[in-house]
Amino acid sequence: DAGVTQSPTHLIKTRGQQVTLRCSPKSGHDTVSWYQQALGQGPQFIFQYYEEEERQRGNFPDRFSGHQFPNYSSELNVNALLLGDSALYLCASSWVGQGVNYGYTFGSGTRLTVV
Amino acid sequence: GDSVTQMEGPVTLSEEAFLTINCTYTATGYPSLFWYVQYPGEGLQLLLKATKADDKGSNKGFEATYRKETTSFHLEKGSVQVSDSAVYFCALTRNTGGFKTIFGAGTRLFVKA
Repeated sequence: DAGVTQSPTHLIKTRGQQVTLRCSPKSGHDTVSWYQQALGQGPQFIFQYYEEEERQRGNFPDRFSGHQFPNYSSELNVNALLLGDSALYLCASSWVGQGVNYGYTFGSGTRLTVV
Repeated sequence: GDSVTQMEGPVTLSEEAFLTINCTYTATGYPSLFWYVQYPGEGLQLLLKATKADDKGSNKGFEATYRKETTSFHLEKGSVQVSDSAVYFCALTRNTGGFKTIFGAGTRLFVKA
């Protein structure tokens, strides 16, 4: 059973460009969350998608947007890249049952470097 | 808002030593609590969880007890191995119309042979 799959694994972009990161959740999971992890820090919540809608959003600018498809896969888009957007971007999938979150399954991440 | 505070690292131990990594949280209501582990070059893996007060989560020799009176969820292991060297993250989640999970800053553990 495949876990969470993210692509690409590494990416180098120039300031001002746009980037799209992709995520396929674990089989049976219907919720996808995206996190940004800077070097040496904990993951910071970007947003969460469920039933193709953004359900919650962290403290990130509108340059960060996303989408969830009917098959539960998801994309993270970042426009007008800044040097400070360089980080590891993690996708996490989960299933919520009876009002309880049983924890995330994380992908290995996409390492984005903005030059 | 909700927050998680965990002890700063790095923590350096010899093999077979006892491990404690402290974690305290601030949240209204009744959050679920988690420990995640991140090995070098990898994403995070769920290590253990507890969904209500006094629950004990355990996995791979690690344990943590949900203490609502002290708002704590300390991670313990009786005898660490070199393979336990990693970064450990304490985290919480509440049902706020979604299940955003808040992470601590992480504690790096080095285990020497």
